[in-house]
Amino acid sequence: GAVVSQHPSRVICKSGTSVKIECRSLDFQATTMFWYRQFPKKSLMLMATSNEGSKATYEQGVEKDKFLINHASLTLSTLTVTSAHPEDSSFYICSARLSATSNEKLFFGSGTQLSVL
Amino acid sequence: SQKIEQNSEALNIQEGKTATLTCNYTNYSPAYLQWYRQDPGRGPVFLLLIRENEKEKRKERLKVTFDTTLKQSLFHITASQPADSATYLCALGPPGGYQKVTFGIGTKLQVIP
Repeated sequence: GAVVSQHPSRVICKSGTSVKIECRSLDFQATTMFWYRQFPKKSLMLMATSNEGSKATYEQGVEKDKFLINHASLTLSTLTVTSAHPEDSSFYICSARLSATSNEKLFFGSGTQLSVL
Repeated sequence: SQKIEQNSEALNIQEGKTATLTCNYTNYSPAYLQWYRQDPGRGPVFLLLIRENEKEKRKERLKVTFDTTLKQSLFHITASQPADSATYLCALGPPGGYQKVTFGIGTKLQVIP
Protein backbone atom coordinates (compact mmCIF):
# COMPACT_ATOMS: atom_id res chain seq x y z
CA GLY A 1 0.00 0.00 0.00
CA ALA A 2 0.94 3.65 -0.30
CA VAL A 3 3.17 5.03 2.43
CA VAL A 4 3.13 8.53 3.85
CA SER A 5 6.01 9.48 6.09
CA GLN A 6 5.64 12.30 8.60
CA HIS A 7 8.48 13.87 10.51
CA PRO A 8 9.13 14.54 13.38
CA SER A 9 6.87 12.33 15.45
CA ARG A 10 7.22 14.50 18.50
CA VAL A 11 8.51 17.99 19.11
CA ILE A 12 8.75 20.16 22.19
CA CYS A 13 9.48 23.82 21.68
CA LYS A 14 9.48 27.10 23.53
CA SER A 15 6.73 29.62 23.06
CA GLY A 16 7.50 32.00 20.21
CA THR A 17 9.56 29.61 18.13
CA SER A 18 8.56 28.11 14.79
CA VAL A 19 8.22 24.42 14.08
CA LYS A 20 8.29 22.70 10.70
CA ILE A 21 6.58 19.37 10.08
CA GLU A 22 7.29 17.37 6.93
CA CYS A 23 4.97 15.02 5.10
CA ARG A 24 6.31 12.83 2.31
CA SER A 25 4.64 10.35 0.00
CA LEU A 26 7.23 7.60 -0.37
CA ASP A 27 6.03 5.47 -3.25
CA PHE A 28 3.54 7.62 -5.10
CA GLN A 29 3.10 11.17 -6.25
CA ALA A 30 0.64 13.24 -4.29
CA THR A 31 -0.57 16.37 -6.00
CA THR A 32 -2.84 16.97 -3.02
CA MET A 33 -2.13 16.52 0.65
CA PHE A 34 -4.20 17.42 3.67
CA TRP A 35 -3.24 18.73 7.10
CA TYR A 36 -5.31 18.02 10.20
CA ARG A 37 -5.09 18.64 13.89
CA GLN A 38 -6.57 16.40 16.53
CA PHE A 39 -7.21 17.12 20.19
CA PRO A 40 -7.58 14.28 22.70
CA LYS A 41 -10.88 12.46 22.28
CA LYS A 42 -11.85 14.75 19.43
CA SER A 43 -12.27 14.12 15.73
CA LEU A 44 -9.75 14.98 13.06
CA MET A 45 -10.23 18.59 12.01
CA LEU A 46 -9.12 19.52 8.53
CA MET A 47 -6.91 22.59 8.62
CA ALA A 48 -5.94 23.00 5.00
CA THR A 49 -5.59 21.35 1.63
CA SER A 50 -2.12 21.51 0.16
CA ASN A 51 -1.76 21.52 -3.62
CA GLU A 52 1.54 21.01 -5.40
CA GLY A 53 2.71 24.16 -7.08
CA SER A 54 -0.05 26.39 -5.80
CA LYS A 55 -1.29 28.05 -2.64
CA ALA A 56 -2.91 25.98 0.04
CA THR A 57 -6.63 26.22 0.71
CA TYR A 58 -7.35 26.87 4.37
CA GLU A 59 -10.48 25.92 6.27
CA GLN A 60 -12.53 28.60 7.93
CA GLY A 61 -10.99 29.79 11.15
CA VAL A 62 -7.48 28.57 10.37
CA GLU A 63 -4.92 31.39 10.19
CA LYS A 64 -2.84 31.01 7.06
CA ASP A 65 -0.09 33.25 8.41
CA LYS A 66 0.10 31.11 11.52
CA PHE A 67 0.15 27.76 9.75
CA LEU A 68 2.32 28.08 6.66
CA ILE A 69 2.00 25.29 4.12
CA ASN A 70 4.41 24.65 1.30
CA HIS A 71 3.93 21.90 -1.30
CA ALA A 72 6.96 22.39 -3.49
CA SER A 73 7.15 18.92 -5.01
CA LEU A 74 4.89 15.99 -5.82
CA THR A 75 6.13 14.10 -2.78
CA LEU A 76 6.61 16.70 -0.08
CA SER A 77 4.38 19.07 1.83
CA THR A 78 5.46 21.01 4.90
CA LEU A 79 3.49 22.69 7.65
CA THR A 80 5.23 25.39 9.65
CA VAL A 81 3.65 26.54 12.88
CA THR A 82 4.97 30.06 13.26
CA SER A 83 5.49 31.76 16.60
CA ALA A 84 4.01 28.77 18.38
CA HIS A 85 2.09 29.26 21.62
CA PRO A 86 0.83 26.74 24.18
CA GLU A 87 -2.63 26.73 22.58
CA ASP A 88 -1.03 25.38 19.39
CA SER A 89 -0.08 22.22 21.26
CA SER A 90 -1.87 19.41 19.49
CA PHE A 91 -1.48 16.28 17.37
CA TYR A 92 -0.92 17.24 13.73
CA ILE A 93 -1.49 14.69 10.99
CA CYS A 94 -1.05 14.83 7.24
CA SER A 95 -2.65 12.67 4.60
CA ALA A 96 -2.36 12.18 0.88
CA ARG A 97 -4.84 10.80 -1.57
CA LEU A 98 -3.84 8.06 -3.93
CA SER A 99 -6.15 9.16 -6.69
CA ALA A 100 -5.73 12.45 -8.47
CA THR A 101 -9.47 12.82 -8.72
CA SER A 102 -10.97 11.44 -5.53
CA ASN A 103 -10.66 11.51 -1.74
CA GLU A 104 -12.01 7.99 -1.51
CA LYS A 105 -8.78 6.55 -0.21
CA LEU A 106 -6.57 8.60 2.06
CA PHE A 107 -3.20 7.56 3.45
CA PHE A 108 -2.09 9.18 6.64
CA GLY A 109 1.24 10.00 8.16
CA SER A 110 2.02 8.82 11.66
CA GLY A 111 1.34 12.22 13.16
CA THR A 112 3.36 14.83 15.05
CA GLN A 113 2.72 15.59 18.69
CA LEU A 114 3.58 19.24 19.23
CA SER A 115 4.03 20.52 22.76
CA VAL A 116 4.67 24.24 23.20
CA LEU A 117 6.00 25.26 26.59
CA SER B 1 -25.66 21.31 10.47
CA GLN B 2 -23.99 18.08 9.42
CA LYS B 3 -23.32 15.71 12.24
CA ILE B 4 -21.56 12.35 12.55
CA GLU B 5 -22.15 10.36 15.72
CA GLN B 6 -20.04 7.52 16.93
CA ASN B 7 -20.33 6.11 20.38
CA SER B 8 -17.44 7.86 22.07
CA GLU B 9 -17.65 5.51 25.04
CA ALA B 10 -15.20 2.67 24.92
CA LEU B 11 -16.52 -0.69 23.82
CA ASN B 12 -15.17 -3.66 25.74
CA ILE B 13 -15.67 -7.16 24.39
CA GLN B 14 -14.31 -10.60 25.06
CA GLU B 15 -11.77 -12.10 22.71
CA GLY B 16 -13.41 -14.25 20.05
CA LYS B 17 -16.68 -12.32 20.07
CA THR B 18 -17.94 -10.04 17.32
CA ALA B 19 -17.48 -6.34 17.89
CA THR B 20 -20.08 -4.03 16.37
CA LEU B 21 -19.46 -0.31 16.09
CA THR B 22 -22.02 2.23 14.98
CA CYS B 23 -21.77 5.38 12.90
CA ASN B 24 -24.86 7.57 12.53
CA TYR B 25 -25.13 10.76 10.60
CA THR B 26 -27.63 13.58 10.12
CA ASN B 27 -28.09 16.35 7.59
CA TYR B 28 -25.76 14.58 5.20
CA SER B 29 -26.05 12.64 1.96
CA PRO B 30 -22.69 10.93 1.58
CA ALA B 31 -21.59 9.29 -1.63
CA TYR B 32 -19.43 6.93 0.37
CA LEU B 33 -18.40 6.08 3.89
CA GLN B 34 -14.97 5.03 5.11
CA TRP B 35 -13.74 3.25 8.19
CA TYR B 36 -10.27 3.82 9.62
CA ARG B 37 -8.33 2.38 12.51
CA GLN B 38 -6.27 4.69 14.71
CA ASP B 39 -3.81 3.55 17.36
CA PRO B 40 -2.73 5.91 20.16
CA GLY B 41 -0.28 8.54 18.94
CA ARG B 42 -0.54 7.34 15.35
CA GLY B 43 -2.30 8.44 12.18
CA PRO B 44 -5.44 6.65 10.95
CA VAL B 45 -5.13 3.62 8.69
CA PHE B 46 -7.70 3.06 5.95
CA LEU B 47 -9.72 -0.14 6.35
CA LEU B 48 -12.79 -0.16 4.14
CA LEU B 49 -14.90 2.04 1.90
CA ILE B 50 -18.56 1.45 1.11
CA ARG B 51 -20.55 3.42 -1.43
CA GLU B 52 -24.10 4.70 -1.10
CA ASN B 53 -25.42 2.08 -3.50
CA GLU B 54 -23.77 -0.80 -1.62
CA LYS B 55 -25.40 -2.54 1.32
CA GLU B 56 -22.48 -4.51 2.61
CA LYS B 57 -18.72 -4.86 2.17
CA ARG B 58 -16.37 -7.48 3.59
CA LYS B 59 -12.65 -7.77 4.03
CA GLU B 60 -11.28 -10.74 5.94
CA ARG B 61 -12.77 -10.46 9.47
CA LEU B 62 -14.26 -7.04 8.79
CA LYS B 63 -17.77 -6.31 7.58
CA VAL B 64 -19.37 -2.95 6.95
CA THR B 65 -23.02 -2.21 6.25
CA PHE B 66 -24.47 1.03 4.99
CA ASP B 67 -28.12 1.94 5.36
CA THR B 68 -28.84 5.30 3.73
CA THR B 69 -32.46 5.22 4.92
CA LEU B 70 -31.45 4.86 8.56
CA LYS B 71 -28.38 7.05 7.90
CA GLN B 72 -26.26 4.50 9.63
CA SER B 73 -23.24 2.31 9.08
CA LEU B 74 -22.30 -0.68 11.19
CA PHE B 75 -18.74 -1.95 11.41
CA HIS B 76 -18.23 -5.53 12.54
CA ILE B 77 -15.07 -7.34 13.56
CA THR B 78 -15.63 -11.08 13.85
CA ALA B 79 -13.51 -13.37 16.00
CA SER B 80 -12.02 -10.31 17.66
CA GLN B 81 -8.47 -10.40 18.98
CA PRO B 82 -6.62 -8.23 21.51
CA ALA B 83 -4.64 -6.84 18.57
CA ASP B 84 -7.89 -5.34 17.27
CA SER B 85 -7.93 -2.96 20.23
CA ALA B 86 -7.80 0.56 18.81
CA THR B 87 -10.02 3.53 18.02
CA TYR B 88 -12.13 3.15 14.91
CA LEU B 89 -13.16 6.23 12.95
CA CYS B 90 -15.90 6.54 10.40
CA ALA B 91 -15.67 9.22 7.76
CA LEU B 92 -18.18 10.46 5.23
CA GLY B 93 -17.41 11.60 1.72
CA PRO B 94 -19.88 13.85 -0.07
CA PRO B 95 -20.67 13.57 -3.78
CA GLY B 96 -17.95 14.95 -6.00
CA GLY B 97 -14.53 13.41 -5.74
CA TYR B 98 -12.77 16.51 -4.53
CA GLN B 99 -15.08 17.28 -1.65
CA LYS B 100 -13.53 16.96 1.77
CA VAL B 101 -14.05 13.93 3.95
CA THR B 102 -15.55 14.54 7.40
CA PHE B 103 -14.49 12.36 10.33
CA GLY B 104 -16.38 11.13 13.35
CA ILE B 105 -14.90 11.21 16.82
CA GLY B 106 -14.20 7.48 16.83
CA THR B 107 -15.05 4.58 19.10
CA LYS B 108 -12.38 3.01 21.25
CA LEU B 109 -12.52 -0.78 21.15
CA GLN B 110 -10.89 -2.88 23.84
CA VAL B 111 -10.73 -6.62 23.25
CA ILE B 112 -10.19 -8.46 26.51
CA PRO B 113 -8.21 -11.72 26.41
